[in-house]
Parts: sequence; structure tokens; C-alpha cells
Amino acid sequence: DIVMTQSPLSLPVTPGEPASISCRSSQSLDNYLDWYLQKPGQSPQLLIYLGSTRASGVPDRFSGSGSGTDFTLKISRVEAEDVGVYYCMQALQTPRTFGQGTKVEIK
Amino acid sequence: EVQLVESGGGLVQPGGSLRLSCAASGFTFSDHYMDWFRQAPGKGLEWVVRTLNKLNSYTTQYAASVRGRFTISRDDSKISLQMNSLKTEDTAVYYCARDSMRGGGFDYWGQGTLVTVSP
Repeated sequence: DIVMTQSPLSLPVTPGEPASISCRSSQSLDNYLDWYLQKPGQSPQLLIYLGSTRASGVPDRFSGSGSGTDFTLKISRVEAEDVGVYYCMQALQTPRTFGQGTKVEIK
Repeated sequence: EVQLVESGGGLVQPGGSLRLSCAASGFTFSDHYMDWFRQAPGKGLEWVVRTLNKLNSYTTQYAASVRGRFTISRDDSKISLQMNSLKTEDTAVYYCARDSMRGGGFDYWGQGTLVTVSP
């Protein structure tokens, strides 16, 4: 199975400031990497697919980059509604596997 | 409007069985792969099982942790997850999700249903 590793696991952020989350895979994914956000008490929601394509309705302050084994999710200016746990997931093969999650909270 | 609504969760003893359902509406169900994920209390997301679309004969794929115990099925508008020989480690919120296809990620998720396996 492909192992996904995220960092950091906890990310305190100041509203209006940028934030960045890293995701690394144990083997090349090409660009088959999704990002999901799980807000408190909610189901996961798709943010980014194919490494860098924003899902429908996702604000343009979210951006994804990377290919191969190293990927990054960036939030250009964090807003209070962005708090939650962010997961990367490899979409190359089954079983689908996730990173451990990065908890983003407001300072 | 696309909707996925899970049901069937509850409390069951170890070794018991439970059947979850996910009712789908608002899209051409047979065109899409459908998956179940789960999330143990306070833990991350785990993929459980998938059923491919009609074009791919509704082929199924299972995580090693549930293979031989769980069975996914689908009809015209619903997927079901028959869970047998349940273990305490199967305790989790179970989510169904729609694969948007063509690499577009899981674009719709249900609200989740809680399964608790406890003596």
C-alpha cells in the first residue's frame, strides 16, 4: 500500500496569514493526489483533485501543487471558516490511502 | 441536487452483523464508482470498499482489513454494506462517497452513520 505522510500535524494560524501543508507519498503518484477538508462535526469535502485542480465552489485562496511524491496545499489568506482537519489522499490505486491529517486551528 | 444518505448504523456485539445503506439521488447512479470510508473515534479517514460502475460490471474492491467479512452491493439507486463478524476495531463513522470519475476525486459524501461494536 502507498504510505502518505503529512506535515505538520498541527497548524495554528492567524487569520489573514498564509498557511501551507505538505504531503509526501511512498511512491510516485504522478498527479493523482486529492486534498480534503473535514470541518468540525462534518463529513469530508473535496478541495483539490489531480494535485492542483480546485473542486467546484472552492475559494481561490486554496491552491495545490506538486507531482510525483511531494505535494503542497496552500491557503493564501486563512479565514476563520478554514479550521478543521486537512487530509491528502492518493488516488493512484486501491486501497486509497490518506495522510494522518493536519489540524488547522486559529491562534 | 446530488444527495447521499446513509442509514443502518447502531450498536452491535462483537461477532455480530449489521447492514448499512446509502441512498443516492440527483445523478446517473450507474455511471459512478461508489465507495465506503470510515473514521474511528478521534482518528483519521480509512478507505473500506468500492464498487465500480455499470461499464465495469460493478466490480468490487476491498480493504484487507474487511475482506471476507464485509460485502458491498448496489441496486438502481442504493449501495449497501453487509458487515459480518464485526470486531471492536470496526467501530467508526461510516461514510459513503461518490467518485466523480476521470480523476476528479470524491465530490459528494454522505453525512455518515455510526457503527459501535461493543460487548
